[in-house]
Amino acid sequence: QSALTQPRSVSGSPGQSVTISCSGTRSDVGGHNYVSWYQQHPGKAPKLMIYDVSKRPSGVPDRFSGSKSGNTASLTISGLQTDDEADYYCCSYAGSYTWVFGGGTELTVL
Amino acid sequence: EVQLVQSGGGLVQPGGSLRLSCAASGFTFSFYAMHWVRQAPGKGLEYVSAISTDGAGTYYVNSVRGRFTISRDNSKNTLYLQMGSLRAEDMAVYYCARYSNSAYDYWGQGTLVTVSS
Repeated sequence: QSALTQPRSVSGSPGQSVTISCSGTRSDVGGHNYVSWYQQHPGKAPKLMIYDVSKRPSGVPDRFSGSKSGNTASLTISGLQTDDEADYYCCSYAGSYTWVFGGGTELTVL
Repeated sequence: EVQLVQSGGGLVQPGGSLRLSCAASGFTFSFYAMHWVRQAPGKGLEYVSAISTDGAGTYYVNSVRGRFTISRDNSKNTLYLQMGSLRAEDMAVYYCARYSNSAYDYWGQGTLVTVSS
């Protein structure tokens, strides 16, 4: 199972919006609505930000939103804040009790 | 408060074995599937293994199947990962994670496994 494809890095200024893409295949992203997104600050455990493509766990600001079109999922962060600077990973169920992550995207808030 | 507290990492020689533990509290452990996810130094996250609520179903990424064994003791609220025939490429921070609503909603603090002679 190959990793999902994410851009290595994205950047934005405070207050702006950024979108991180996550490309897969019809076996994973395209075939299941089980895409999740995680935020990871250096040296910390990942934190769930989005599940089931577009749902936000309690406590996650509504500045974070998720969507999917075909084999590509996206995470949009609006109203960027300095604390949003972190690595972001997508993850998808890939069938037959396998899960696959994206390679990760480093978000820089300029 | 949901907590997953990990233990058992460390330095092991290639070909050696190690057992990781993940003690759960703050929720009904037996109601949730549990997973192990790892992160090699400077690399991304990788799914390693999953176990069903009752332990009857166990699943592995191809690269560890036959070498790693996931298990759980619901009476002790503890998840385990027995790792054998360890290779350099298994060196990583290993996280246990609760699987709920098709996502990993809580994570352990991570434990480093170093494979080196």
